[in-house]
Formats: sequence, C-alpha cells, structure tokens
Amino acid sequence: EAGVAQSPRYKIIEKRQSVAFWCNPISGHATLYWYQQILGQGPKLLIQFQNNGVVDDSQLPKDRFSAERLKGVDSTLKIQPAKLEDSAVYLCASSSRLSPTDYTQYFGPGTRLLVL
Amino acid sequence: AQSVTQLGSHVSVSEGALVLLRCNYSSSVPPYLFWYVQYPNQGLQLLLKYTSAATLVKGINGFEAEFKKSETSFHLTKPSAHMSDAAEYFCAVSPGGGSYIPTFGRGTSLIVHP
Repeated sequence: EAGVAQSPRYKIIEKRQSVAFWCNPISGHATLYWYQQILGQGPKLLIQFQNNGVVDDSQLPKDRFSAERLKGVDSTLKIQPAKLEDSAVYLCASSSRLSPTDYTQYFGPGTRLLVL
Repeated sequence: AQSVTQLGSHVSVSEGALVLLRCNYSSSVPPYLFWYVQYPNQGLQLLLKYTSAATLVKGINGFEAEFKKSETSFHLTKPSAHMSDAAEYFCAVSPGGGSYIPTFGRGTSLIVHP
C-alpha cells in the first residue's frame, strides 16, 4: 500500500512570494489533514477535510493560507504572501475515519519550507 | 482547551536500559491520548493510543504507556532501548465529545548510546 505522498520535499522562497504544497493521501482515505511543524515544536493542525468538505479550519491563518481538496482526493495548501515565520515543515496526513477512537493517521514525509 | 507538557526536550539512555518519556496533559473533558514517533526527515508514525478502554496501552516496537487520571499523565516506557529507537517522540491529546483537533507536545528527542 502506497503511503501519503507530498511534494515538493524542500522549498526555499523569499518573503512575500507565493508557494504551494501538494498532498496525495492513501487511496480510499476520506479524511485529510494539513499540519504546520515549526522547528522545536510539535505539529499544529491547520485544516481538516472530510472528502472535499472542510471539517475544521479554525487554526488556519486565512489572510494568507488557503487549502482545497476539490475532488476529495489530493489536496493543495497555498501561502500567499509568505512571511519569515512561515518557515516550517508542512505535514499532510490521512485517515479512513473521522473519529480518533477507531482510526490511525498516516503522515507523509513533509515539505520543508524556508522563507528568506 | 487542552494542552500537553513533555518533560525534557532530550532524554539520553544506554542501549538495553529502560526508556521513560514523560507526558502530562490537561483537558476539560475525558481525553484521547497518543504517542507518535518521528524519525529524521520522515513523517509521524503512531506508536499507541488511549481511547478510554484499558489504562495500560501496548503499542508497536515494544512501547507501552499507562493512563493515570489522578496524575494527568500518559508516560511512555520501553523495558530495553535499542539503537533504532533514537528518534523524536511526541505526545498528543485530543478531547472527546465530538472534537478531534489534536494538540501536540513539543517533543522529546531520545538519544541511545551504545
């Protein structure tokens, strides 16, 4: 079974530029998550999708971050414009059910973003 | 709101020694608790989870954790450390009652000496 795929693995941009990350979850997984992991901290959930609908985006900075999962499969996370504090690893995860009591989140390798 | 405190950003043990990684949580409702492991340049992998069943939870790779409500703790242990256990470990809490947004601790780096 193929795991969660993410691209690119690394990205370096200058502040105020735009950047997009792509995630392809495990086949058949309805729930998809985007996390931000700043160096030295644990992951912070940005947004959670169930199929192509948003379940929770309360921690997504909507003035500069956007995410979509149009066909309920792969997803794109965009930052526009980027700030220095956006430097982090962006992790994508997927699971087959919404409840944490009967599911396991599978994480991708992450995209490491450096904003100069 | 829930929170997680992992005591010690780094824990160093000798190969074959007991591993103990500490996690304390706060939650206004009965929580779900998780331990994840992250190897360099990889995503997180679930080690084990507590979901209000047995208080002693066994996970993969010989790890286990015990939920202690009175101490609000969920410490991770392994009887004998292997070199391959060297990684970053994260404790996470997710409240019940229909909200599944997890909060992660800052992580503990496990160093295993030969």
